[in-house]
Amino acid sequence: DTEVTQTPKHLVMGMTNKKSLKCEQHMGHRAMYWYKQKAKKPPELMFVYSYEKLSINESVPSRFSPECPNSSLLNLHLHALQPEDSALYLCASSPRPYRDRNTEAFFGQGTRLTVV
Amino acid sequence: SQQGEEDPQALSIQEGENATMNCSYKTSINNLQWYRQNSGRGLVHLILIRSNEREKHSGRLRVTLDTSKKSSSLLITASRAADTASYFCATARLSIQGAQKLVFGQGTRLTINP
Repeated sequence: DTEVTQTPKHLVMGMTNKKSLKCEQHMGHRAMYWYKQKAKKPPELMFVYSYEKLSINESVPSRFSPECPNSSLLNLHLHALQPEDSALYLCASSPRPYRDRNTEAFFGQGTRLTVV
Repeated sequence: SQQGEEDPQALSIQEGENATMNCSYKTSINNLQWYRQNSGRGLVHLILIRSNEREKHSGRLRVTLDTSKKSSSLLITASRAADTASYFCATARLSIQGAQKLVFGQGTRLTINP
């Protein structure tokens, strides 16, 4: 299984809603990532988890709250978002931090989020 | 913050021709990777070149890396309509916690005309 699965594929939410994005991989990878991508722009790194611990937060607003409950699962909790947060949210994983220094990242198909 | 600049931003060629995309970056890197993205969905890894390598091949892909100029190029030979996509370079640095931090360039939108 070389897939990263993201759910839902599409999400429309109001500015007062609370929702969560889910990402799952069963490749035994121990680094997991959230990226945000606006139309016609490159992916921008948001968070990196290394061995289930948050290791990088790229100064992301607190209305985005990541969670890594186990080595296979990564969530992104959303609360009080703004219309400008509408984007494609991509999850990725890569093998073992520290030990695998030159590895590709495996990306999910993304969740297309629209905030109304 | 985005590190890479890609050139050109858009490229349109005839099927069968070769396509060359360039990427420049600003800081030291552990490796540089190229990804393809179709229609704004997930990214697919194409090739990785380490900082101590100068050239790498994979099928119809050829990647070069010049660390003195902080630049890389991706060559796709004998292009096909299915190669139509956006192509991104991504520089990789290791964080203190050991995870690889990938930062993407602006991307090149490649269109292959039949």
